[in-house]
Amino acid sequence: EAGVAQSPRYKIIEKRQSVAFWCNPISGHATLYWYQQILGQGPKLLIQFQNNGVVDDSQLPKDRFSAERLKGVDSTLKIQPAKLEDSAVYLCASSFNRVQETQYFGPGTRLLVL
Amino acid sequence: AQSVAQPEDQVNVAEGNPLTVKCTYSVSGNPYLFWYVQYPNRGLQFLLKYITGDNLVKGSYGFEAEFNKSQTSFHLKKPSALVSDSALYFCAVRDGGGTASKLTFGTGTRLQVTL
Repeated sequence: EAGVAQSPRYKIIEKRQSVAFWCNPISGHATLYWYQQILGQGPKLLIQFQNNGVVDDSQLPKDRFSAERLKGVDSTLKIQPAKLEDSAVYLCASSFNRVQETQYFGPGTRLLVL
Repeated sequence: AQSVAQPEDQVNVAEGNPLTVKCTYSVSGNPYLFWYVQYPNRGLQFLLKYITGDNLVKGSYGFEAEFNKSQTSFHLKKPSALVSDSALYFCAVRDGGGTASKLTFGTGTRLQVTL
């Protein structure tokens, strides 16, 4: 079974530029999550989708971050404009549904904002 | 609000010795508890979870964890450490009574196993 796929793996941009990350969850997983992991910290949930609907985006900085999962499968997370403090690893995870508790993570996208 | 504490930034152990990585949690409802491991430049890999039932949970690669409700702890253990176990370990908690499955992670504990 293929795992969660993410691209790109690494991205370097300058502040005020925009960037987008892509995630393809495990086949059949209805729930998709985006996390931000700053160096030295645990992952922090940014947004959670159930199929193509948003369940929780309370910690998403909506003035600059946006995410979509239009067809209920893959998802895109965008940052526009980026700030220095957005430098982090962005992790995508998926689970079969909200009752099935285990979340499976992709390899992450490491973002460096200069 | 739910939270997780991992009191040790780093744990050092010799190969072959038992290891323990500590985790305590705070949650208003029934806790769902998880351990994940992260290797360099990799995502988080699921090790084990406690939802209900037996307090001793067995997981991948010989790891186990013991749920202790009175001490609100969920320590990760392994009887005999391997050098290849060296990685970053995260404990996470979710409120089982909540409608959303938001996981809250600890800050991580780096395990260093030496020969």
